[in-house]
Amino acid sequence: SAVISQKPSRDICQRGTSLTIQCQVDSQVTMMFWYRQQPGQSLTLIATANQGSEATYESGFVIDKFPISRPNLTFSTLTVSNMSPEDSSIYLCSVERRPTNYGYTFGSGTRLTVV
Amino acid sequence: AQKVTQAQTEISVVEKEDVTLDCVYETRDTTYYLFWYKQPPSGELVFLIRRNSFDEQNEISGRYSWNFQKSTSSFNFTITASQVVDSAVYFCALSEDPGGSQGNLIFGKGTKLSVKP
Repeated sequence: SAVISQKPSRDICQRGTSLTIQCQVDSQVTMMFWYRQQPGQSLTLIATANQGSEATYESGFVIDKFPISRPNLTFSTLTVSNMSPEDSSIYLCSVERRPTNYGYTFGSGTRLTVV
Repeated sequence: AQKVTQAQTEISVVEKEDVTLDCVYETRDTTYYLFWYKQPPSGELVFLIRRNSFDEQNEISGRYSWNFQKSTSSFNFTITASQVVDSAVYFCALSEDPGGSQGNLIFGKGTKLSVKP
């Protein structure tokens, strides 16, 4: 089963700056998923990152705001750019566990506050 | 379109009571997968169960049990003899293509369960 190390665990950032979140998986995975969880809300998919190709973004999310890198099969980063208070959320990465009946594993999340 | 509905926003019970969390889903696919996750106050997501659309057997794991009924598109979760440590937000989720390009999870809005001593 996959274990994900996500960092930072939390950060407080100034408006207009950018933050890069990292996820390291202890095994090779094809797909990595990035989610946002706004305060008191459910999880919403931002994008799917496949190694060797551009990330696929969901409606309402754009590459300029949330650029993603996927340099190899065990690592990915999500950058939250030009932040505003509305970006204050928990950001989580996820991979599918193997065997597949183990579900999806999530990183511990990055709690971002923009002031 | 895919959708997961958890109609109960918050539930409060007293310890040792049984509690059922409801989940109703919508999908056009005949092959799909359903999940339950627990999110305690610390924020991490804890995997509880995965069920595929071809397996309607109910599952029991300790105090947890799940009732999957395709006829009503429901996948309900029951906690028997609840404990304070069960207090968390519980999410039901749907995936139509695990391992594929659409393998992401579609989450319900979650049910916040508070178990009081």
